[in-house]
Amino acid sequence: GENVEQHPSTLSVQEGDSAVIKCTYSDSASNYFPWYKQELGKRPQLIIDIRSNVGEKKDQRIAVTLNKTAKHFSLHITETQPEDSAVYFCAARPGTYKYIFGTGTRLKVLA
Amino acid sequence: DADVTQTPRNRITKTGKRIMLECSQTKGHDRMYWYRQDPGLGLRLIYYSFDVKDINKGEISDGYSVSRQAQAKFSLSLESAIPNQTALYFCATSDARAGGETQYFGPGTRLLVL
Repeated sequence: GENVEQHPSTLSVQEGDSAVIKCTYSDSASNYFPWYKQELGKRPQLIIDIRSNVGEKKDQRIAVTLNKTAKHFSLHITETQPEDSAVYFCAARPGTYKYIFGTGTRLKVLA
Repeated sequence: DADVTQTPRNRITKTGKRIMLECSQTKGHDRMYWYRQDPGLGLRLIYYSFDVKDINKGEISDGYSVSRQAQAKFSLSLESAIPNQTALYFCATSDARAGGETQYFGPGTRLLVL
């Protein structure tokens, strides 16, 4: 069935280092891939997204890459800061309404 | 995002009770969704609605029902709550006019079923 695998489940990095979170999706019809950040006790909020006709997108310290052939997409955070600490979720949209979410990555940025 | 609100924010109930979780939005979006979040499982779709007259089941709709009272209101009901429905519930909206892609989440309702 449709699923999105997300790795790692936890990630600790030193402040200033880079963090990479990877997701793999199963449904080749997926055409939209958002990333959400959820701080403790807060709602998920969209931080960046990419569509299937694009291979990479950047927004300041955050970038997302997409490999449609391998069905992989990744979130890259450079120059990490303590406020980047949160749970990050990837998702894939195989249709016009359905989003399949990954299981989340808890990122800790150590000062 | 204060434009999407949920009530109550926390609820404790007993097995067998009927409860309703409510979601309201002032964003003018046509699409609304209900998700549940469990530790280690991410977000899973319960129901979604693209319009007041259009309601559809998601991947885990058993034991739940919904009502779209107006474009701005989408309620989730647990007809007879059971302990494994203990979870964090999120409502979300999106705008079909903008492609319907970006989802805006409410603050969540934490539900405990004893």
